[in-house]
Parts: sequence; structure tokens; C-alpha cells
Amino acid sequence: DTGVSQNPRHKITKRGQNVTFRCDPISEHNRLYWYRQTLGQGPEFLTYFQNEAQLEKSRLLSDRFSAERPKGSFSTLEIQRTEQGDSAMYLCASSPGLADYNEQFFGPGTRLTVL
Amino acid sequence: GENVEQHPSTLSVQEGDSAVIKCTYSDSASNYFPWYKQELGKRPQLIIDIRSNVGEKKDQRIAVTLNKTAKHFSLHITETQPEDSAVYFCAGRDTGRRALTFGSGTRLQVQP
Repeated sequence: DTGVSQNPRHKITKRGQNVTFRCDPISEHNRLYWYRQTLGQGPEFLTYFQNEAQLEKSRLLSDRFSAERPKGSFSTLEIQRTEQGDSAMYLCASSPGLADYNEQFFGPGTRLTVL
Repeated sequence: GENVEQHPSTLSVQEGDSAVIKCTYSDSASNYFPWYKQELGKRPQLIIDIRSNVGEKKDQRIAVTLNKTAKHFSLHITETQPEDSAVYFCAGRDTGRRALTFGSGTRLQVQP
């Protein structure tokens, strides 16, 4: 499968624990995005990387959230001291090149449940 | 920032009929408007997109229209089939940003 991959696909954790998700974009895609999707809603933007540089962050991204893309390839999203309100599907997307209108290809998501 | 509103939230049509989903956006600087289809338990997939310098785009049974003056755009699906049943999301992106702002989705059900 040469599409965007995410691991794990499901994560159940207790409130207060830390969790980390991984995203592997399509090979050679320069841009990588993280979104969060709750039931019945559209994806909400969290953050964006161009290569290894984090260029945009949403106000939704509290200081408990941190994202990295150290070598410009895969990315990790960490949530510290999880809260029940963090329960959602976390989607990663990637897009190629530097043109303005490149399609964002989504991964299957990581479903987080905070008990 | 950009705000995208989408309606209706649910839409039920008979197989073979047309379906129309409408979205409005707030930022007049927005220049790119994709539509994504998300089947139950699956990832969102792009089905069609339009740039702000184009008024209409068509791909087989799917078309999108954009009215920049009124700041709204619509998805049109003709000759609907049961496999068109899914949740459809519109999105907008303003100039200078990469993030997409999504609408809240329309659940389309095509009755055979």
C-alpha cells in the first residue's frame, strides 16, 4: 500500500496518560497535515509541516499537543495528560510538491478513546 | 479565519435522481475549494475540486460550481447510484495558508 499510513489505528487510554501517534506520508510528499475529526463533524485542522518545518498551528493545538517531523518524512503527534475531550479520530494527510492546489491524501486515521 | 457552512446535513434521494449540496464560505480571499467523500469507517477521499478563477468544473456525473460574489459553491451529482451513499465534505482554503477548513458534512443516502 503506497498511501498514507497511520499507527496505531486504535488507541484506548486512561485520562492523564500520554499518547503518541505516527503518520507515514506518501513517499516524497513535502507537505504533511494533522487534522482531528469528531463524530458527525468535518476534519479540523491541527498543524502543517513543509518538510521538517512546522509552518502552521491551529488555536485548537493546546500546549498539551506537540507534533514533530524530524527528518521531513514521518511525523508524530503526542498528546500529554489526555482528557476525555481529546477522544476523536486523528487524521494525517500529505500532499506533493510546492504548487498551491495539490490534493491532500488522507490516511486511515487513529481513533483515540480516553476513558 | 475561514468559516465554511454546509447544508443540508442529510439528503435522501432515489437512485437515478440528482443530488445537490451547498456550501458558503466567509473569507473572500479563499481560492481553493475541494470536495471529499467519506464512506463509513474509511478515510476522506477527494472527488473534485475547483479554484477561484473557474466558475464550474465537471467530471463525469459530478460537477462543482463556484459563485465568488456570493461566496458559495455547490456539488452536483447526477444519475445517483447506491454507491454514492456516503458523507460529503466541502472545504475551503484561503490564500497564503495550507490548512483546509471543512464544512460539517452532508450524509447522502441513495435509495435503490
